[in-house]
Amino acid sequence: QLQLRESGPGLVKPSETLSLTCTVSGDSFSSTSYYWGWIRQPPGKGLEWIGSIYYSGSTYYNPSLKSRVTISVDTSKNQFSLKVNSVTAADTALYYCVREITRGYYYGMDVWGQGTTVTVSS
Amino acid sequence: EIVLTQSPGTLSLSPGERATLSCRASQIVSSTYLAWYQRKPGQAPRLLIYGASSRASGIPDRFSGSGSGTDFTLTISRLEPEDFAVYYCQQYGGSRTWTFGQGTKVEIK
Repeated sequence: QLQLRESGPGLVKPSETLSLTCTVSGDSFSSTSYYWGWIRQPPGKGLEWIGSIYYSGSTYYNPSLKSRVTISVDTSKNQFSLKVNSVTAADTALYYCVREITRGYYYGMDVWGQGTTVTVSS
Repeated sequence: EIVLTQSPGTLSLSPGERATLSCRASQIVSSTYLAWYQRKPGQAPRLLIYGASSRASGIPDRFSGSGSGTDFTLTISRLEPEDFAVYYCQQYGGSRTWTFGQGTKVEIK
């Protein structure tokens, strides 16, 4: 059964870079059927899509975050990663990695990691 | 950019009652691209409905989705205690982007 697990520092200082990794287990990360993405939820707010990546490395970002976000992939480790530069308190959130399906009549995020909390504070 | 507006913000109902949640888009959305998620405290969101009306794997049939164009609805026919949660609609947009609504909380009355 496919599982996603986020890992990374839970505390980041303002102006520094937030870095998270998602490890995919239980299925082929290099499947051509899926994209892989990052979602976040700030405290008391809704869900926000950050960006997505294909196993080949093609990336797509939320326009509101694009200037500060980089998503990369390491297929040899079945991992993909998120970096957010120049963080502020507004980047404090629960971060999820997800599997995206976009084919035929099935468009959605069908597998989610358990989430990891990142706090931006000095 | 398409904006999804969910209503009401909070729905107070009793177990056994019917819940009707609305998701309105600022522009026409293909039904294929409209999904619904459930989020319970301490848990990751779970995909309930894709393609506006198709239930995801393992989702009970008391959950149903409907709608087209700019107006979509998630209906829970008879609320079970485990259904009290926050529900989000989501649309897949051009250039491989995703947008979520702000959520509707279904709480116990």
